Amino acid sequence: DGGITQSPKYLFRKEGQNVTLSCEQNLNHDAMYWYRQDPGQGLRLIYYSQIVNDFQKGDIAEGYSVSREKKESFPLTVTSAQKNPTAFYLCASSALAGGGGELFFGEGSRLTVL
Amino acid sequence: GQQVMQIPQYQHVQEGEDFTTYCNSSTTLSNIQWYKQRPGGHPVFLIQLVKSGEVKKQKRLTFQFGEAKKNSSLHITATQTTDVGTYFCAGRNTDKLIFGTGTRLQVFP
Repeated sequence: DGGITQSPKYLFRKEGQNVTLSCEQNLNHDAMYWYRQDPGQGLRLIYYSQIVNDFQKGDIAEGYSVSREKKESFPLTVTSAQKNPTAFYLCASSALAGGGGELFFGEGSRLTVL
Repeated sequence: GQQVMQIPQYQHVQEGEDFTTYCNSSTTLSNIQWYKQRPGGHPVFLIQLVKSGEVKKQKRLTFQFGEAKKNSSLHITATQTTDVGTYFCAGRNTDKLIFGTGTRLQVFP
């Protein structure tokens, strides 16, 4: 089936550790996005990529890093510099880069810092 | 930066009552999208509006895009328990989609 796969679904991390969240899509979409969702709040954009080997910062990029070496993959690293990393992380893709396309979301990764 | 606000934050209704959520942007939008997120789930696309003053219907759901393309609304007629969830608008300005704060709908049978 076509779609977006995020892993792991749940992740626990000790303070000071970097963690990488995986996001893979087989929809052949050009654009991919990472959003963060805190309890009872909306989605905030972390990073987005419209084409392979290129990505842009969103509204809350500090403490995060990404790469886009392959069209189907857009991993997110939560670094130790992120002051409050406990959150629900959502990866999405869209067929149209630069606007206009609907977003298809993965099921999310819930990160808890102990 | 661009901000998209939604009101109300929460809404509890009796099954059969109507429900409306409003979305307001600080800047003019090229288009607006609406998503629904069920409890414990991920957002699912509902619809996109592009034209000024556009109105679209999906069964009991009616979506409107304001004349100035800075606001939008979602109206649900005769709510059902299956409508429970959080409804988000998302406005596009340049190449970014900015999500609203969401309205959480609870429907009591």
